[in-house]
Amino acid sequence: DSGVTQTPKHLITATGQRVTLRCSPRSGDLSVYWYQQSLDQGLQFLIQYYNGEERAKGNILERFSAQQFPDLHSELNLSSLELGDSALYFCASSVSGTKNTEAFFGQGTRLTVV
Amino acid sequence: GQSLEQPSEVTAVEGAIVQINCTYQTSGFYGLSWYQQHDGGAPTFLSYNALDGLEETGRFSSFLSRSDSYGYLLLQELQMKDSASYFCALPPGVFGTGTRLLVSP
Repeated sequence: DSGVTQTPKHLITATGQRVTLRCSPRSGDLSVYWYQQSLDQGLQFLIQYYNGEERAKGNILERFSAQQFPDLHSELNLSSLELGDSALYFCASSVSGTKNTEAFFGQGTRLTVV
Repeated sequence: GQSLEQPSEVTAVEGAIVQINCTYQTSGFYGLSWYQQHDGGAPTFLSYNALDGLEETGRFSSFLSRSDSYGYLLLQELQMKDSASYFCALPPGVFGTGTRLLVSP
């Protein structure tokens, strides 16, 4: 158990809908990262938050947004969903914001858009 | 921006040694990390290099050459359970394309 909790584990929704994925980082970790992994693909970095502030942005679509709350949990909002958004979404956390030596991953949320 | 390149697939037999290479491009360097991911599972941290040279952790070692923007992961005494995907990564969280390792009996 990495200590990072993601909910829900599975999500099935229709095209055009909006969903929210939730992540609780390990106790003491200030950074949260979001990744998208499509079938047989690598880990696509979406966005990083550090202590409530956006720290780094990757290939995140405009239809997607995220935030980190004062209690450090984070949410990833996906809207106007398309079939191609079906993927495994991972959250990871680490102590550091920049000199990241080790990130701990949650078990992921599998999103299926039908 | 940042980018990392790895071979897509490597095959080896049980008991052998295998090396997975990673070349990277980044404007500011804060270290190179390695992760393992089994099919259907979450990535787990293996190793980290901030300075040139070899870091050893049990059967796994990782090497870094900052002047060559190059690193590798060395897996010794391969076991069937080592069959997985391996990723190199640059802070803040950018991962390489991943290398699928297939270990055969």
